[in-house]
Amino acid sequence: GEDVEQSLFLSVREGDSSVINCTYTDSSSTYLYWYKQEPGAGLQLLTYIFSNMDMKQDQRLTVLLNKKDKHLSLRIADTQTGDSAIYFCAENDSGGYQKVTFGIGTKLQVIP
Amino acid sequence: NAGVTQTPKFRVLKTGQSMTLLCAQDMNHEYMYWYRQDPGMGLRLIHYSVGEGTTAKGEVPDGYNVSRLKKQNFLLGLESAAPSQTSVYFCASSYVAGGIVPDTQYFGPGTRLTVL
Repeated sequence: GEDVEQSLFLSVREGDSSVINCTYTDSSSTYLYWYKQEPGAGLQLLTYIFSNMDMKQDQRLTVLLNKKDKHLSLRIADTQTGDSAIYFCAENDSGGYQKVTFGIGTKLQVIP
Repeated sequence: NAGVTQTPKFRVLKTGQSMTLLCAQDMNHEYMYWYRQDPGMGLRLIHYSVGEGTTAKGEVPDGYNVSRLKKQNFLLGLESAAPSQTSVYFCASSYVAGGIVPDTQYFGPGTRLTVL
């Protein structure tokens, strides 16, 4: 089946850039997503990218997609303490129903 | 517009007890999902529904049942709770393809369940 892998933990200093990486196995992915989960809350969609795109920028967020290597990354510029959260990579395999496979989540810790 | 709501927020059960978790969405979404989130395991899909009156098994369906009698509600039932079902349960819903942000799922705030 489909698999999405992420590292568990990332620590950065406030003001630095954060890069969270994700690899996936499903070559038929249509959309790839980044979700953010703050403590005690559900997941919220942060950004997404179509599988036919290489890059998407949205304010401080840059998503890079390498389809050949099945590698997705999320770069957060000028990381703030409010960015501390768990970030989930997810992919949609364009099946008959909207089946989304989530990664395990990367906990981002921002040090003031 | 409340989005996706879940009740209750917290619950403690004894082994063998039963309970129902309620999920409601007011966005007229066709698809609804129940996930469990465990440390080191990420999100795992329990059951999902592609429309009113339909349900299907996800990745970890054993020990759970679901019902979607109304489009806006998706119920998750535990008939005989076990300690292994201690987890945080999230409900989500999503558009049919073609929505503003394709296929994205909107999550509820979660239900923290402890089974003693």
